[in-house]
Amino acid sequence: KQEVTQIPAALSVPEGENLVLNCSFTDSAIYNLQWFRQDPGKGLTSLLLIQSSQREQTSGRLNASLDKSSGRSTLYIAASQPGDSATYLCAVRPRNFNKFYFGSGTKLNVKP
Amino acid sequence: KAGVTQTPRYLIKTRGQQVTLSCSPISGHRSVSWYQQTPGQGLQFLFEYFSETQRNKGNFPGRFSGRQFSNSRSEMNVSTLELGDSALYLCASSLEYAGAYNEQFFGPGTRLTVL
Repeated sequence: KQEVTQIPAALSVPEGENLVLNCSFTDSAIYNLQWFRQDPGKGLTSLLLIQSSQREQTSGRLNASLDKSSGRSTLYIAASQPGDSATYLCAVRPRNFNKFYFGSGTKLNVKP
Repeated sequence: KAGVTQTPRYLIKTRGQQVTLSCSPISGHRSVSWYQQTPGQGLQFLFEYFSETQRNKGNFPGRFSGRQFSNSRSEMNVSTLELGDSALYLCASSLEYAGAYNEQFFGPGTRLTVL
């Protein structure tokens, strides 16, 4: 069974810092990996999707990388802003099922 | 392009009642998945519907059921509600065409409170 772990569970940084969120998974037979953000009491907003054949994806200040062989993905946020404060979730989709395995998330607080 | 919509946004029920939640996917998306989110268990997969058929199912009791209509809209039903069913229920939709960029898009969720 796929297990997804996110480290750290919480992170507090001053505005302007660059930061890295980590996601690890146990089964490398994945179809894709998706990063989401969730604001309190809200749904999930898709940030980046990386197909299993890709190594990284970029969108604005966000960059996500994928290393299937080691079972790791990182989300890099450049020049963090208070509006980036949210919980960031990593989700892994197995090769043969349309079903996500989610990590427990990293709660990010960016201080002005 | 409209996103995934879920109705109602909030529900309060009592134990033993049943509830139906609705999800309208993004136009053209063929797959709808349902997830339960609780503080203790995080996000857990309930089931996925594709072309009106349940294609995948998570480890939830039979009280949780769903269906998908020909226009891809989906409903989820929970019978004999228990206190532990209080959660945020999220649905997600995706295209699901071979070779497509099958990104999942989530709705805002339905907050169910069971008293």
